[in-house]
Amino acid sequence: GDSVTQMEGPVTLSEEACLTINCTYTATGYPSLFWYVQYPGEGLQLLLKATKADDKGSNKGFEATYRKETTSFHLEKGSVQVSDSAVYFCALTFTGNQFYFGTGTSLTVIP
Amino acid sequence: ETGVTQSPTHLIKTRGQQVTLRCSSQSGHNTVSWYQQALGQGPQFIFQYYREEENGRGNFPPRFSGLQFPNYSSELNVNALELDDSALYLCASSLGAGGPGETQYFGPGTRLLVL
Repeated sequence: GDSVTQMEGPVTLSEEACLTINCTYTATGYPSLFWYVQYPGEGLQLLLKATKADDKGSNKGFEATYRKETTSFHLEKGSVQVSDSAVYFCALTFTGNQFYFGTGTSLTVIP
Repeated sequence: ETGVTQSPTHLIKTRGQQVTLRCSSQSGHNTVSWYQQALGQGPQFIFQYYREEENGRGNFPPRFSGLQFPNYSSELNVNALELDDSALYLCASSLGAGGPGETQYFGPGTRLLVL
């Protein structure tokens, strides 16, 4: 079935370090791909998305490129801040009806 | 523009009881989806309502049921609560019935504890 696999956390980085969170997917077609972020005690917020192969989503310094060849959508940021500490979820959907989420990757950025 | 709101924020119930959770969708959105997020896990799709009709359902038993009202707000009802139902329940709203790139906007969730 359709699914998303994320790198396991937790991830701890120093401020201004580079971030990569790996995400790969298994799907029978070409889904739309998303990254959501969840801050402590809150719901999920959309971070970025891409709807077709080679599309790059970007927001707040984060980027992810939809790679059909490797079925991946890795999240990257060149310089993380303490305020980026949160749980990050990769997700896919075909119809916008049902979203399939990964298990989440916890990021802690230390000053 | 008002975002997605949910009530209550926290709830404690005992096994066998019934619970109703409520969600108000974002202004202009006519679709509501419900997810269950167990501790340390990603959200799992329960079902979606579009214009008051169920528009897709995940792998959850019939004791999970829902409603959508003419103002597009929604309820999630869970009967015969089990300990494993303890989770964060998330509501998400979106503009239409689906399509590539359709984005869901999430509320803060209701944390349910079943004792």
